[in-house]
Amino acid sequence: QQQVKQSPQSLIVQKGGISIINCAYENTAFDYFPWYQQFPGKGPALLIAIRPDVSEKKEGRFTISFNKSAKQFSLHIMDSQPGDSATYFCAASASGTYKYIFGTGTRLKVLA
Amino acid sequence: GAVVSQHPSWVICKSGTSVKIECRSLDFQATTMFWYRQFPKQSLMLMATSNEGSKATYEQGVEKDKFLINHASLTLSTLTVTSAHPEDSSFYICSALSGAGGYTFGSGTRLTVV
Repeated sequence: QQQVKQSPQSLIVQKGGISIINCAYENTAFDYFPWYQQFPGKGPALLIAIRPDVSEKKEGRFTISFNKSAKQFSLHIMDSQPGDSATYFCAASASGTYKYIFGTGTRLKVLA
Repeated sequence: GAVVSQHPSWVICKSGTSVKIECRSLDFQATTMFWYRQFPKQSLMLMATSNEGSKATYEQGVEKDKFLINHASLTLSTLTVTSAHPEDSSFYICSALSGAGGYTFGSGTRLTVV
């Protein structure tokens, strides 16, 4: 119940295309869902995050879509660029715990 | 914004020796810091939660005597890998809870035990 399932494991997208990464969770106590971007040899960096009171959040080319009833959320990267090539992790946490449960990661490669 | 500095970025040590990794919050006070371990092409595994002035809380399966955590100040937490062995080789990442409730991660430390 503590798991966050992430798919796909890897993704190849043409430059200018849309990259979509999906995550699903079971624990209904989770109420904070961030996405992190990690480049090789570096720590993760927060991209965007959402709480269950909204169904969508957009920041620049990055959008989170959230479906509370399905317990699913996804990251959309519009106009994908080669510089977006990285590993993306979704995560979830419950209020008061501050412990993040991370998804297994998606390695994105954007072709020039 | 909140910045977390982790040092060293990489270290090679001989089997049986100990290695200390530092995690500093540069522009904010962090009462809580976290230590993760990441194997190649895998996700982040939480090892322990470090609280300033108290004992760290270790996740199930993590050897507290092997991975010593000290959080002696509001800006510094250290992880010491004691009697390191090749199987301890990994990427170790710290993170700190900044005031806004979000995490800021350090840049990670690549440990190689030979």
